[in-house]
Amino acid sequence: GQQLNQSPQSMFIQEGEDVSMNCTSSSIFNTWLWYKQDPGEGPVLLIALYKAGELTSNGRLTAQFGITRKDSFLNISASIPSDVGIYFCAGRGVRGGKLIFGQGTELSVKP
Amino acid sequence: NAGVTQTPKFRILKIGQSMTLQCTQDMNHNYMYWYRQDPGMGLKLIYYSVGAGITDKGEVPNGYNVSRSTTEDFPLRLELAAPSQTSVYFCASSLTGGDSPLHFGNGTRLTVT
Repeated sequence: GQQLNQSPQSMFIQEGEDVSMNCTSSSIFNTWLWYKQDPGEGPVLLIALYKAGELTSNGRLTAQFGITRKDSFLNISASIPSDVGIYFCAGRGVRGGKLIFGQGTELSVKP
Repeated sequence: NAGVTQTPKFRILKIGQSMTLQCTQDMNHNYMYWYRQDPGMGLKLIYYSVGAGITDKGEVPNGYNVSRSTTEDFPLRLELAAPSQTSVYFCASSLTGGDSPLHFGNGTRLTVT
């Protein structure tokens, strides 16, 4: 079945640093989504990508749909303490179907 | 708007007990989902529903049952709780099943001992 590999699993950074995380899939995806989960809450959608090569920003966050359609990355610039949480990528294959989630990247930001 | 509401927030069960995790949404979404989240494993789909009266299995349905008698409610039932069902459970909904984003509840943390 389809699988997503998300890396890194965790990151410990200093406030103000930039962050990059990525997801790769074993097959082609038509949709890539990035979610953030704050402690004790459910995931919230950050960015949605629907086209290969698409680059989309949401404030300090930028995400790209890889040109091969098998990967996506998320960048966070100038991190702040409230960026702490778990970031999930999710994708949907070319035949539609349910969303597949990555394992998550746990981000810790030191003030 | 409350969005997606899950109850309870926490629960401890003994092995073999049963319980129902409640989920309700007030956004008139057609699709609803149940996921479980285990550390380092992401979110795994248990069951989903594309509308009232229709349910289908996801990746990890064993040990669970669901029903969808109304658009708003999608309860998840554990009949014989096992330690392997210790997890955080998330309910989600979306307007349609295509590219509609999922809206998640705040989760139910279940421990089976």
